[in-house]
Amino acid sequence: AQTVTQSQPEMSVQEAETVTLSCTYDTSESDYYLFWYKQPPSRQMILVIRQEAYKQQNATENRFSVNFQKAAKSFSLKISDSQLGDAAMYFCAQNTGNQFYFGTGTSLTVIP
Amino acid sequence: NAGVTQTPKFRVLKTGQSMTLLCAQDMNHEYMYWYRQDPGMGLRLIHYSVGEGTTAKGEVPDGYNVSRLKKQNFLLGLESAAPSQTSVYFCASSYFSAYEQYFGPGTRLTVT
Repeated sequence: AQTVTQSQPEMSVQEAETVTLSCTYDTSESDYYLFWYKQPPSRQMILVIRQEAYKQQNATENRFSVNFQKAAKSFSLKISDSQLGDAAMYFCAQNTGNQFYFGTGTSLTVIP
Repeated sequence: NAGVTQTPKFRVLKTGQSMTLLCAQDMNHEYMYWYRQDPGMGLRLIHYSVGEGTTAKGEVPDGYNVSRLKKQNFLLGLESAAPSQTSVYFCASSYFSAYEQYFGPGTRLTVT
């Protein structure tokens, strides 16, 4: 079975600082996609960033970037210049074929 | 555009009762998904559909049935509800499986 592991149940960061959320995954497939989703208290799931496994270049979206290490099966999310609105649960997810696997989430607190 | 909508938003069932959750999307997406979210478990895929008239099992399909008679609707049925099915249920849709998923607001179901 494919698994996605987020080893940090909770993280905190000072406003304007940088934080990195960890994610590892396990798959025997060579073609897959990786995602980070954000779930604020409103419960609405929002895509943060997406990475194709065949691309070596790390994806970036404004203040959000990833460190994709394919050999290590690692996919961490870096949030720069953290803002109060970044406070949420963050889920790492892996897609292979039509199946999606989510991690258990990291709760991020932003301290003013 | 309403995006992805779910009906109902909340429901309380007694053990053994049946119900259907409705998901609707107005983005002309081919792919639709049903997930459940439990504390400490992240999201787990129940069933999915790759187009009108098709359905397939996800990671945790037991106790649920689905139908996709119209492209814009994806129904999730519980024939005989059990307390273990107490959860928050999310529907999502996407243009293609590896693309961004758009999530509905969720349905909180309690089975007593």
